[in-house]
Amino acid sequence: ETGVTQTPRHLVMGMTNKKSLKCEQHLGHNAMYWYKQSAKKPLELMFVYSLEERVENNSVPSRFSPECPNSSHLFLHLHTLQPEDSALYLCASSQGAPGPYEQYFGPGTRLTVT
Amino acid sequence: GQNIDQPTEMTATEGAIVQINCTYQTSGFNGLFWYQQHAGEAPTFLSYNVLDGLEEKGRFSSFLSRSKGYSYLLLKELQMKDSASYLCAVRDPSGNTPLVFGKGTRLSVIA
Repeated sequence: ETGVTQTPRHLVMGMTNKKSLKCEQHLGHNAMYWYKQSAKKPLELMFVYSLEERVENNSVPSRFSPECPNSSHLFLHLHTLQPEDSALYLCASSQGAPGPYEQYFGPGTRLTVT
Repeated sequence: GQNIDQPTEMTATEGAIVQINCTYQTSGFNGLFWYQQHAGEAPTFLSYNVLDGLEEKGRFSSFLSRSKGYSYLLLKELQMKDSASYLCAVRDPSGNTPLVFGKGTRLSVIA
């Protein structure tokens, strides 16, 4: 595997379910990000991890819980989501953060909350 | 505050040149990125500008004027595969969000 991978690619969950999104980067980067992309809205940065420490939490509801066990892996734990949370969730990595580093994105997880 | 403006949609002809503009208002500035995103795919990096002027990379060029809060992405010799959304993003170290994205410009290349 190369680049940034995400699983699952598609997820449908009910509002009472608990699920997790997984991201893995094979680029040797030390910063990882979660973004939310909704239709007709800009990419929204959710969380930033640098050297496995969370350096940014952009006022995201607590029903989204990130976890970064090491510099190559990033999880987003989901529970009691709302229909408006349906979106494409993108993971990215970069050489460092914060800083003007090019970010490499994964293919995303298309999440539908029913 | 932080605000990035781009046109929502543009259409251009195969083989032509198209310029996609981006204006920004941010508290701080530490670089501007352009990304390309095909429908259903992840964004991919195109260019990065931190100093004023033009950066050329093959068929794509990006220009920055920090005093005007303005950038453009220039695509030459358009190909059908260039049909995609183009995202402008500004690195603002002083804001709540370190990297602010515009809504993107959807470019359609027609024959």
